[in-house]
Amino acid sequence: AQRVTQPEKLLSVFKGAPVELKCNYSYSGSPELFWYVQYSRQRLQLLLRHISRESIKGFTADLNKGETSFHLKKPFAQEEDSAMYYCAPVHPNYGGSQGNLIFGKGTKLSVKP
Amino acid sequence: DTEVTQTPKHLVMGMTNKKSLKCEQHMGHRAMYWYKQKAKKPPELMFVYSYEKLSINESVPSRFSPECPNSSLLNLHLHALQPEDSALYLCASSQGRDNEQFFGPGTRLTVL
Repeated sequence: AQRVTQPEKLLSVFKGAPVELKCNYSYSGSPELFWYVQYSRQRLQLLLRHISRESIKGFTADLNKGETSFHLKKPFAQEEDSAMYYCAPVHPNYGGSQGNLIFGKGTKLSVKP
Repeated sequence: DTEVTQTPKHLVMGMTNKKSLKCEQHMGHRAMYWYKQKAKKPPELMFVYSYEKLSINESVPSRFSPECPNSSLLNLHLHALQPEDSALYLCASSQGRDNEQFFGPGTRLTVL
């Protein structure tokens, strides 16, 4: 079965510490990969996608095809980074579900002062 | 206008009621989606409309009935819901099926 795994339900770090939110996927081919973020009382929004290779709010994510991972990293966490983070692959050729986002279970990041 | 709007924000309904959720976008997006999100869970895809045609129905019970009157509007008609259908219902839109999805704020539905 095609799926995405975010092994940490909760990740708690101190301000200024590095943070890595893990994401592994099991898809054949080359899926498009996204990270979505949901801040408290805000709507779900795109953080970044691997194809753009951007750094957004200091976050980066590298696609590692060998490990089938798309971990999200930031060298120095800030309190405002506290949120729920979802890894979400989209497989362009996944049968009838072409183009669907499949959300991982999410990791709640808590950055303490 | 770069937002997806949803109405109402909150809805409480009995199991015999009929109600509708509405979603609107004016970004010219051709794909629109309904998701269901239970507390502390990720969004689960319910329906996908592509060019105003239903392309995906993820085995959703018939008490949920989607409708796409035009390219800017998406409705979700509710009838004879169960208490376990209580959740946050999210609407999203995207330019294409593999593009960034823009989410609305959701409708918090409570079924009594």
